[in-house]
Amino acid sequence: DVKVTQSSRYLVKRTGEKVFLECVQDMDHENMFWYRQDPGLGLRLIYFSYDVKMKEKGDIPEGYSVSREKKERFSLILESASTNQTSMYLCASRWTGGFMADTQYFGPGTRLTVL
Amino acid sequence: GEDVEQSLFLSVREGDSSVINCTYTDSSSTYLYWYKQEPGAGLQLLTYIFSNMDMKQDQRLTVLLNKKDKHLSLRIADTQTGDSAIYFCAERRGGSQGNLIFGKGTKLSVKP
Repeated sequence: DVKVTQSSRYLVKRTGEKVFLECVQDMDHENMFWYRQDPGLGLRLIYFSYDVKMKEKGDIPEGYSVSREKKERFSLILESASTNQTSMYLCASRWTGGFMADTQYFGPGTRLTVL
Repeated sequence: GEDVEQSLFLSVREGDSSVINCTYTDSSSTYLYWYKQEPGAGLQLLTYIFSNMDMKQDQRLTVLLNKKDKHLSLRIADTQTGDSAIYFCAERRGGSQGNLIFGKGTKLSVKP
């Protein structure tokens, strides 16, 4: 089974802090994604990465950056956390070959509260 | 419109069938997906259908695809309380670099 893990299930930070959210997948997937999920808005794509050291902006990249130094790890960085970044953050990875191509596998999520 | 649309809520009684509907936007979408999210958890892939199919059945789940109307549905037979969750429809649009566009999710409540 594919396993995607996220470093924290719950996180509380203060406004202005730098926040790191870590995601690790164990299936050698090339593609990885960060979403945020808010009530009534569904999932919105923040950033994605096709491979190591590659990154692309999603629909709502403002206030975020990412890092992909190793294939299995994709980090989301909030340079200066703000209260409007309080949300559930979901990481996903994707296998790009074979019959199950394009299926994204999700981690359990990190619920971030910024005070 | 540009959005994947789903109704936000559905309530059924245990043992009944549930039908969750979704309309998508891109006729060139290659894959369409249903994900399930239980409270406090991430998204779990339930099933998917390739765009050249019109039906897929997997145990209690039946997916119907109407490409003409860009309509996707998920039927859960003999719904159980453990099926209570949020169900997301998603499309993989052609030319979108393989990224998924998600609906806002349908919250299914199953009453005993």
